[in-house]
Amino acid sequence: AQKVTQAQTEISVVEKEDVTLDCVYETRDTTYYLFWYKQPPSGELVFLIRRNSFDEQNEISGRYSWNFQKSTSSFNFTITASQVVDSAVYFCALSGTYKYIFGTGTRLKVLA
Amino acid sequence: DTGVSQDPRHKITKRGQNVTFRCDPISEHNRLYWYRQTLGQGPEFLTYFQNEAQLEKSRLLSDRFSAERPKGSFSTLEIQRTEQGDSAMYLCASSLVAGGPGDEQYFGPGTRLTVT
Repeated sequence: AQKVTQAQTEISVVEKEDVTLDCVYETRDTTYYLFWYKQPPSGELVFLIRRNSFDEQNEISGRYSWNFQKSTSSFNFTITASQVVDSAVYFCALSGTYKYIFGTGTRLKVLA
Repeated sequence: DTGVSQDPRHKITKRGQNVTFRCDPISEHNRLYWYRQTLGQGPEFLTYFQNEAQLEKSRLLSDRFSAERPKGSFSTLEIQRTEQGDSAMYLCASSLVAGGPGDEQYFGPGTRLTVT
């Protein structure tokens, strides 16, 4: 069975701090895809990144970076120099076929 | 270029009533998905369509739930004889087939259902 665990329910940081959101997944598939989505207070899920199981390269996009490690089944997300606008719930998701399996999300509060 | 739209955004209904939600995907997207999200949880998969064919249904989708995508464009999700446990946010997403799974899904704003 597939499963995504986001153990951090809520994190609070002060603006400009770096923060890492953890994601651990379980799957028996050899080919799979991992995603991060942001859900701001408005409620609409916003796509951030996709990574396939054959590509373990880390990725950086502006203040965002992702660390994918198959050896530990983790796909962690780091926000550098956090801003108040980063406050949201962040979801990690796994897909082996077409449907997504989401984690329970991590609520990030960035305080001014 | 418009995103995924859903209607209505909010629905309050009494237990036992039927409700229907509509989703309009991004125009060139041929896959459409329905998810349900309850408070404090991540979205849970309900069903998905490729064009007009419904290819997978979750066990979460009881007999009271039915989804259609008659012409491969918009989709409807109907819940019959609503129960208080049906109260949730119903999310629609769409994606473009690019040769296999793993396409990123684009989500609509959701329909929040409250059953009193």
